[in-house]
Amino acid sequence: QSVLTQPPSASGTPGQRVTISCSGSSSNIGANYVYWYQQLPGTAPKLLIYRNNQRPSGVPDRFSGSKSGTSASLAISGLRSEDEADYYCATWDGGLGGIFGGGTKLTVL
Amino acid sequence: EVQLVESGGVVVQPGGSLRLSCAASGFTFDDYTMHWVRQAPGKGLEWVSLITWDGTTSYYTDSVKGRFTISRDNSNNSLYLQMNSLRTEDTALYYCTKDLLYRAFDLGFDSWGQGTLVTVSS
Repeated sequence: QSVLTQPPSASGTPGQRVTISCSGSSSNIGANYVYWYQQLPGTAPKLLIYRNNQRPSGVPDRFSGSKSGTSASLAISGLRSEDEADYYCATWDGGLGGIFGGGTKLTVL
Repeated sequence: EVQLVESGGVVVQPGGSLRLSCAASGFTFDDYTMHWVRQAPGKGLEWVSLITWDGTTSYYTDSVKGRFTISRDNSNNSLYLQMNSLRTEDTALYYCTKDLLYRAFDLGFDSWGQGTLVTVSS
């Protein structure tokens, strides 16, 4: 059971907008930046969002991140089949060190 | 181009020891904090440890404290993870990752290796 809570699954149809939530506490999300990773099947994870809402170069602007209080969200607009992957949130926790959410498996229907 | 190449993963018995290595290239190694992240088969990601750019500070997840030691050799652009008293629950693919931040650290990893598999089994 992860300290950061994500829904285990999410789904959407092509073109749709999907959001994935990440819930934490005042010692982690409430006090630190949130990062998001995408892991395609059989590959290493890739940084998708850093410092709550910043996109690394090369990440499409269909991906966006936000944070409010002790929760964060990843939104994917204009859903595409290649977005089917596992998504993880991550942040620093003052007592635990680095922590990841349990991951959300996104299915494109 | 940043490259991170892990090695050292093998099958080891419970209670055994192992040292993982990560060879880094394509960036100024001694300007960046480095991390180890692991993923058990079919499971999610777990942050394991970090070491700052100058090697003076390290942190560990609770489950490996006292058993694992992270180190680096900036003269050889290499990162290491010494793993002692291994347990079956340490079985995972271990990734070497580079921190996004210059001479700082957080949970942003902008480069990942391909991983090296550690299997702890009798």
